[in-house]
Amino acid sequence: DAGVIQSPRHEVTEMGQEVTLRCKPISGHNSLFWYRQTMMRGLELLIYFNNNVPIDDSGMPEDRFSAKMPNASFSTLKIQPSEPRDSAVYFCASSLYYERQETQYFGPGTRLLVL
Amino acid sequence: KQEVTQIPAALSVPEGENLVLNCSFTDSAIYNLQWFRQDPGKGLTSLLLIQSSQREQTSGRLNASLDKSSGRSTLYIAASQPGDSATYLCAAMSLSGNTPLVFGKGTRLSVIA
Repeated sequence: DAGVIQSPRHEVTEMGQEVTLRCKPISGHNSLFWYRQTMMRGLELLIYFNNNVPIDDSGMPEDRFSAKMPNASFSTLKIQPSEPRDSAVYFCASSLYYERQETQYFGPGTRLLVL
Repeated sequence: KQEVTQIPAALSVPEGENLVLNCSFTDSAIYNLQWFRQDPGKGLTSLLLIQSSQREQTSGRLNASLDKSSGRSTLYIAASQPGDSATYLCAAMSLSGNTPLVFGKGTRLSVIA
């Protein structure tokens, strides 16, 4: 298996622009997680899905952030409009059978810079 | 609300030394405690997962222990090598609340040849 795939790997954009991050989880995994990592705050959970359904989005910082999972093999995280403070590395992770508390497999991340 | 702390934030040791990384958590009601490794510019890789009913897990030169009552976990690395240089994060999965995993900020390890 190719592991969790994220695109793009790097994104540089200007303040106010829309940013869309993409994730393909490991085939067969039924839980998907979006994280944000910064030096100051470490790794923070933004939202997670179970069987394509959002379970908890309390980590989403503001209404500017939204996430979707239209099917089991694809998810997006959108920021509109983007701001410089959104600059961070965004990770997607997936796991098998969340109910059994399996470990999570992380993608390589998308490094976002908002100017 | 679960909080996970890792001390020290950074550690530098000579090659061959045995070392211990520390992790503490505030809520002892956990499903499991996990240790991850993160190389620069990369994602996280799971190293060890200790279920709440277990006291330790071993994988090669790595041994992780769990003491729920004191809210502590340690990661022991034997005979360290330069290839072990990375950031090590621990994460606790709580029984309560909606957050599946709460991560510490990590310990950045440098093993000097």
